[in-house]
Amino acid sequence: NAGVTQTPKFRILKIGQSMTLQCTQDMNHNYMYWYRQDPGMGLKLIYYSVGAGITDKGEVPNGYNVSRSTTEDFPLRLELAAPSQTSVYFCASSTRGRNEQFFGPGTRLTVL
Amino acid sequence: AQSVTQPDIHITVSEGASLELRCNYSYGATPYLFWYVQSPGQGLQLLLKYFSGDTLVQGIKGFEAEFKRSQSSFNLRKPSVHWSDAAEYFCAVGPLENAGNMLTFGGGTRLMVKP
Repeated sequence: NAGVTQTPKFRILKIGQSMTLQCTQDMNHNYMYWYRQDPGMGLKLIYYSVGAGITDKGEVPNGYNVSRSTTEDFPLRLELAAPSQTSVYFCASSTRGRNEQFFGPGTRLTVL
Repeated sequence: AQSVTQPDIHITVSEGASLELRCNYSYGATPYLFWYVQSPGQGLQLLLKYFSGDTLVQGIKGFEAEFKRSQSSFNLRKPSVHWSDAAEYFCAVGPLENAGNMLTFGGGTRLMVKP
């Protein structure tokens, strides 16, 4: 049982490039989340999903897109990378809304 | 709107000393409260959670936290700190069911442990 896995661990992008951050969970959780972590700011929710085929915006969705075609996978897409998207990105999952969330190890992204 | 404040950005304690990390929240309903720990380069690991019932909650690694509704606080404590406890600690409140089940996190407290 691997829990929540994320790839890649590190990535450097040039301004304007695109990439997909991968997230997979093997706990059969319906709820999945993407957060970004900036120093001293805690974590901010980017997008979330309550099940396959259902996604919605969180607190800071601009510049990102997501899809949820299966229960296990919840990729995060950056279409036109900007320096403001330099951050650490965490994927999380939970069995239902009002329950603890399990986090992946994170992806550190730098946009230059 | 809900918010979480962790007043101490950095705390340094000696190994073996007691520890208290402060967390204050603002929330419009009965809160669910969490403490997570993040070791360098790692993801967040749940230390403990409060949903209801006994206001003193025991967690992993010898940590406990006390929910005080009158003070809107959920402070984390440990009687004797170990060098391996050096990490960043996050308090969180929620999830909000009408906002994507979002957890609202505090800014974190970085704990350093002196030998």
